[in-house]
Amino acid sequence: SHDLTQPPSVSVSPGQTASITCSGDLLDYKDVSWYQQKAGQSPVMVIYQNKRRPSGIPERFSGSSSGSTATLTISGTQALDEADYYCQAWDSSTANVLFGGGTRLTVL
Amino acid sequence: QVLLQESGPGLVKPSQTLTLSCAVSGGSFSSGSSSWTWLRQAPGKGLEWIGWIYYSGRTYYSSTLKSRATFSIDTSKNQFSLHLTSVSAADTAVYYCARGLSYFASGTTHYYFDFWGQGIPVTVSS
Repeated sequence: SHDLTQPPSVSVSPGQTASITCSGDLLDYKDVSWYQQKAGQSPVMVIYQNKRRPSGIPERFSGSSSGSTATLTISGTQALDEADYYCQAWDSSTANVLFGGGTRLTVL
Repeated sequence: QVLLQESGPGLVKPSQTLTLSCAVSGGSFSSGSSSWTWLRQAPGKGLEWIGWIYYSGRTYYSSTLKSRATFSIDTSKNQFSLHLTSVSAADTAVYYCARGLSYFASGTTHYYFDFWGQGIPVTVSS
């Protein structure tokens, strides 16, 4: 079976760039989506199809993918970006949706 | 904009069946490309996909829950439901409904979830 691996935590200073990675051999051929979940709230999709941004999501959120690693980048990070971030992909081999374990972004 | 709202009991006894419903508004419920999805999140844990149902009634279940989960859909009410049997403390979680969309690219299918409900906390306890 496949897994998606994320770092448990990432810290960034306000105004700096935060990068959150998601790794797994599944990503060699599967697109990834990213979700932001603030404390006590439901998840919000911030990136889909590796790099597409839904309407209403700030331009400072961007996504990329190369080989078996996808990256969510937040440029000019703000305090309100502090949240848990999850990557997600579809595993055709098991017909299951996979989520990464989540990364807690702290804006110091 | 698609709005989803979960409803159901907040407390269920062990071994009983948990039934949750999700009301959908804002259009697209009858779209054949929308997969009406259930997910959950145990306290302090990550997201877990339970499965989805299409407007046609076709269903997909996660391999870990397929033996206990059943979905139904009421097209007259724009609503779909989750039935989870033989619950235990391990099923204590916030349950979310969401809309799933798919596309075909690079020779394979991909899925993502663009709209989510606010979530409903469920505790399994006697």
